[in-house]
Amino acid sequence: AQSVTQLDSQVPVFEEAPVELRCNYSSSVSVYLFWYVQYPNQGLQLLLKYLSGSTLVKGINGFEAEFNKSQTSFHLRKPSVHISDTAEYFCAVTLGGFQKLVFGTGTRLLVSP
Amino acid sequence: KAGVTQTPRYLIKTRGQQVTLSCSPISGHRSVSWYQQTPGQGLQFLFEYFSETQRNKGNFPGRFSGRQFSNSRSEMNVSTLELGDSALYLCASSSTDRGLYNEQFFGPGTRLTVL
Repeated sequence: AQSVTQLDSQVPVFEEAPVELRCNYSSSVSVYLFWYVQYPNQGLQLLLKYLSGSTLVKGINGFEAEFNKSQTSFHLRKPSVHISDTAEYFCAVTLGGFQKLVFGTGTRLLVSP
Repeated sequence: KAGVTQTPRYLIKTRGQQVTLSCSPISGHRSVSWYQQTPGQGLQFLFEYFSETQRNKGNFPGRFSGRQFSNSRSEMNVSTLELGDSALYLCASSSTDRGLYNEQFFGPGTRLTVL
C-alpha cells in the first residue's frame, strides 16, 4: 500500500523568503504524485503533479517540486513566498489508473510580514 | 464551466440520525470521489463512483454509503451518526477512463457537525 509522510506539520517563514515543504512517499510500484493547497473554509486546489517525464515539475503560483525516485521524495519549493501563500499544503499519491488519492497529514505554511 | 458543487455547505445533526450529502460534478465528468477530512485522521478516501458503479472503496464502516445517478451527480449517506463523523466531506470529480489519470477537481466541501 502507498503512504505519504509530510515531515513538518507547520512551517513559519517571512514574506519574500524561500520555502521548502517536505514530502516522502512509500510504494512498491510506480506512483503519481501531487501537491494540493487548501485555503481556510475551501476545498483542495491542485498546485502541481508528477505523472512521468521531467523530474522537475512547475505548478501554479510560482511553486515547483522535484521528484526524486531514489530518495522517494517529492518536495515542494517556492523561491519567494507571499502573505497570500498562507494555507495548508497536502502531498498526495495514487497508483496509475486509480482515482484514490492517499494524502499526507498536511503542512501549514504561515507567512508573516 | 461551473465547478464542483456540494450541498449543503453546513449541516448540524445529532447522534443516531442519518444524513445525505450531495455532489454535482463538473459537466462531462463521470467520476466522483468522496473524502473525509478530520483534524485527527486527516484526508481519507471514502469511495469513488464511475458511471453509476462504485469502482473503489476506502476503509470505512458500512454506515457510509453512496450512489451515483445517470447524470453523474452523487450522494453519500451516513447512517446512525456518531460524534466522530463530524468532519469536512469533500467531493471531487474527474473525467477519466481506467488506465489513465486525470486531475480531480474538488468542491468546497460540506461541514458536518454531529452533536
